[in-house]
Amino acid sequence: NAGVTQTPKFQVLKTGQSMTLQCAQDMNHNSMYWYRQDPGMGLRLIYYSASEGTTDKGEVPNGYNVSRLNKREFSLRLESAAPSQTSVYFCASTRRAGRNEQYFGPGTRLTVT
Amino acid sequence: GQQVMQIPQYQHVQEGEDFTTYCNSSTTLSNIQWYKQRPGGHPVFLIQLVKSGEVKKQKRLTFQFGEAKKNSSLHITATQTTDVGTYFCALSGGSYIPTFGRGTSLIVHP
Repeated sequence: NAGVTQTPKFQVLKTGQSMTLQCAQDMNHNSMYWYRQDPGMGLRLIYYSASEGTTDKGEVPNGYNVSRLNKREFSLRLESAAPSQTSVYFCASTRRAGRNEQYFGPGTRLTVT
Repeated sequence: GQQVMQIPQYQHVQEGEDFTTYCNSSTTLSNIQWYKQRPGGHPVFLIQLVKSGEVKKQKRLTFQFGEAKKNSSLHITATQTTDVGTYFCALSGGSYIPTFGRGTSLIVHP
């Protein structure tokens, strides 16, 4: 059981470049989330998927898109990276949205220059 | 949307002293969860509180849920260096989408 895995662990992008952050869970969870974490700001929800086939915006969705590829995988895409998107990105999953504990991946540290 | 305030932002303690972090919501909550994040790591679930006035203990950690289900606290008795990290509350209201507090960073001086 790997839990929640994320790739890559680190990434440096130039302004305007695009990339996709990958996330997968092997716990048969229904709901998945993408957060960003900035110093002193806690965890802010970017997008979430309450169940396979659905996605919804969170608190800070601008500049991002997501795809719930199947029950296991939930990817986050930056179409045109900006320095303001420099952050640590965490993927998380839970059995039922808002009712059960979330399991977090190890995070992706992204720097946009 | 749901507002959450978590205080203090930082807390320095000497090893052996107690520590408390507080979480307050502007709305009545369905449940509250607490997480711990070690420096350089990812958040790890500690506990979930659901009932009004609930108190749960995990060794030296005591978690409380307010009677009105609008606030919660985490208390650590006799801190150790292994307690270092940031403690987050995560609130769930009617939408069941959790909102995280900004966290309290605990620094323990040996």
